[in-house]
Amino acid sequence: GQQLNQSPQSMFIQEGEDVSMNCTSSSIFNTWLWYKQDPGEGPVLLIALYKAGELTSNGRLTAQFGITRKDSFLNISASIPSDVGIYFCAGQPLFNAGGTSYGKLTFGQGTILTVHP
Amino acid sequence: GAGVSQSPSNKVTEKGKDVELRCDPISGHTALYWYRQSLGQGLEFLIYFQGNSAPDKSGLPSDRFSAERTGGSVSTLTIQRTQQEDSAVYLCASSFALSGGLSGYEQYFGPGTRLTVT
Repeated sequence: GQQLNQSPQSMFIQEGEDVSMNCTSSSIFNTWLWYKQDPGEGPVLLIALYKAGELTSNGRLTAQFGITRKDSFLNISASIPSDVGIYFCAGQPLFNAGGTSYGKLTFGQGTILTVHP
Repeated sequence: GAGVSQSPSNKVTEKGKDVELRCDPISGHTALYWYRQSLGQGLEFLIYFQGNSAPDKSGLPSDRFSAERTGGSVSTLTIQRTQQEDSAVYLCASSFALSGGLSGYEQYFGPGTRLTVT
């Protein structure tokens, strides 16, 4: 099945620094999503990407859907303490005729972000 | 508006017992998903419901796991004869129907149920 490789696994940064993380897949995805998860909570959707090459921003967050449709990155600019958490990429595999790909997001392993004040 | 809700938030059970986990999706969302998240891991797909279509059960790890969705809204995930390896956070998500446009890809998650099997 599809696998997503997310890197880095963890990051320790100073407040104010920029952050970049990325996901790569072995197969084509038709949607990329980025989520953030705080301790004890469910993941919260940050950005959704639908077209190859698409670049989308949400405040200090910017994400891009790779041209090859096999990768995506998330950048956070001017990090603040509340950016701490686990960031997950998720991909929707290319829909197949059998319909079994519907609804099945494949998740990366997550990037644990720690921001030091 | 109200988000996805799940109950209970925490469940401790003895090995061999059955458990039921409940999910209330966002009103108007016709698609509902269950995922499992083990400690320090990403999310593992379990099952997907879309309207009146047959659910996609391809992610269920064994026949001890089952789920139903009544009336196209509330869903219950049942784990029979629980084992210690079932300990995890079980997350429910919902979305609009994919046929309704790109927003159907955007899944919104509940807070999860933390299951501990002793």
